[in-house]
Amino acid sequence: DAGVTQSPTHLIKTRGQQVTLRCSPKSGHDTVSWYQQALGQGPQFIFQYYEEEERQRGNFPDRFSGHQFPNYSSELNVNALLLGDSALYLCASSWAKGPYGYTFGSGTRLTVV
Amino acid sequence: RKEVEQDPGPFNVPEGATVAFNCTYSNSASQSFFWYRQDCRKEPKLLMSVYSSGNEDGRFTAQLNRASQYISLLIRDSKLSDSATYLCVVTGVLNSGYALNFGKGTSLLVTP
Repeated sequence: DAGVTQSPTHLIKTRGQQVTLRCSPKSGHDTVSWYQQALGQGPQFIFQYYEEEERQRGNFPDRFSGHQFPNYSSELNVNALLLGDSALYLCASSWAKGPYGYTFGSGTRLTVV
Repeated sequence: RKEVEQDPGPFNVPEGATVAFNCTYSNSASQSFFWYRQDCRKEPKLLMSVYSSGNEDGRFTAQLNRASQYISLLIRDSKLSDSATYLCVVTGVLNSGYALNFGKGTSLLVTP
């Protein structure tokens, strides 16, 4: 049973560019959440997708957007990259019905230069 | 003020020691509580849920005090393999979602 799969694992981008990160949830999960983890910090909630719609959003600017597909996979898009966007981006899948059973992917490490 | 605050750490302890981590949360409407463990450059993994009655899993004991909005984790007989960052996590119900709200984490290093 595959867990959460994220791609790519590492990425280097230049300031001002755009990036798309991808996530395939664990089998049986219907909800995908994205988190940003800067060095030395805990993960910060970006947004959550359920039934192909953004259900919750954290305190992140509109440069961060996402999408969920009918097969429950998800993308995170970041426009106009800033140096401060350099971080580990974590995807977590779960069931819609509660906070239990969250499974995290191993993350995408984004470096903005 | 951050919603979830933890001891800054790092904690350096010898093998066999007992170590306690504390966490406070600001939103009294928070509903679910967890401790996650994160190894260096890896993803967070659930260590244990935390209940008001307190719960134990082997060497690990978690406590929740809703009145004080305080969560704790006790590790007894520390092992080298316990070295990791421990993240306090709180959730609420916002717009029918259950986003995890993480603390900054407390680093533990267990030494021989």
